[in-house]
Order: sequence, then C-alpha cells, then structure tokens
Amino acid sequence: NAGVTQTPKFRILKIGQSMTLQCAQDMNHNYMYWYRQDPGMGLKLIYYSVGAGITDKGEVPNGYNVSRSTTEDFPLRLELAAPSQTSVYFCASSYDTPTGGMPQHFGDGTRLSIL
Amino acid sequence: QQQVKQSPQSLIVQKGGISIINCAYENTAFDYFPWYQQFPGKGPALLIAIRPDVSEKKEGRFTISFNKSAKQFSLHIMDSQPGDSATYFCAAVEYGNKLVFGAGTILRVKS
Repeated sequence: NAGVTQTPKFRILKIGQSMTLQCAQDMNHNYMYWYRQDPGMGLKLIYYSVGAGITDKGEVPNGYNVSRSTTEDFPLRLELAAPSQTSVYFCASSYDTPTGGMPQHFGDGTRLSIL
Repeated sequence: QQQVKQSPQSLIVQKGGISIINCAYENTAFDYFPWYQQFPGKGPALLIAIRPDVSEKKEGRFTISFNKSAKQFSLHIMDSQPGDSATYFCAAVEYGNKLVFGAGTILRVKS
C-alpha cells in the first residue's frame, strides 16, 4: 500500500527556475495539503484542497501554485524559484469531515535547495 | 506569530524515564489536538490525539493531558525507549481539517 507518494525526493534548482513537485495518494482521500518544513519552525500550510477542482490558500502561499484535477493528484508548482523557498515540502491527505479531526497521512517529503 | 507554542526545543531523557513536552494555544476555535511523531527522512505520522472535552487520553506509553481553561496540553511518554528518539510536533486543527503545528521538540532517549 503506497499511501502518499511524493516525487522527486531531492532537487536542486537555480534561482529563477521553475518546477513542479508531484504528490499522489491512493487512499481515495478528498482532502489534500501541502506543507513546508523549515528548521525550528514546524510545518506551515501552503495550500490545501477539499476535492477535485477546489483549492485554497494556507498560511504561506506566496510563490506557489496548485491544481487539483483528480482526487489522486495534487501537484505544487514553484514559479521563479527563490532562495527563501529552500525547504522540505510535505504533501498530506485525509478523509473529509465537517468538524475536523481526521488524521492526515504524510508523504516522505521533497528536499528542495535553491542556489 | 505562532498560534501553537511548543516547548522544549530539545529534550534528553534516560531510558526508562518520562519525557514531557508542552504546548499552548490561543485560538479557542481549535477543536482537535493531535501529536505527530517524525523520524529523520520521513514525514510526520499521527501518534495520539485528543478533543477538548476530554482531560486525558492514554494509548500505551503515550498520554495526552489537556487543560482547556489554561489552553495548554502536553504529551507524556512513559518508560521512554531509544526507539522513541524522534521529533515530536503538537498541532491544533481548525476549519477544513487544517493543521497548525508547533515548532517541534527533538527527543533523544539515552540507553
């Protein structure tokens, strides 16, 4: 059982380049999320989606874009990469709930360096 | 501005000892408080969680204590083992099942 799969695992980008971080889940979860993890800062929500075709901003959305064309996939795009976007990126998914409190299942992350 | 404040940043405990990690929050709209465990190179994984209408929840060696009036909650790891060495995050859930994380505590259990 794959769970949440993120690709690539590592990437080095030059300033100004763009790339797409891929995320796929096979648990038929409606909700999907993108977080970034910086040392000593915990994880911060970038974007989230409550279903195909529906996305919304999280706490730190600037410099990123997302799309959700299928239930399974939730790619994160970086346009014009900047050094401040050097981080570890985590994708997660969960079942939906009207009241919150469903466990989120995380992938193993993409480690991105921008030089 | 951190909505969930976690302490300590790091913790060293002897094998068999009790590990205690504390968190505090401000937003009274939070209604679910999970703890996640993260090993190096891996994503966080849910460890244990509590709702604010319960003051304590225990699962094996892991216990959450919750003080709604003080807006504080804590994780206690009894009989800590070297395999418990990891980073622990407290979190709070707001609308849309969105997680707000604390900054994390790096736990090292010495054998």
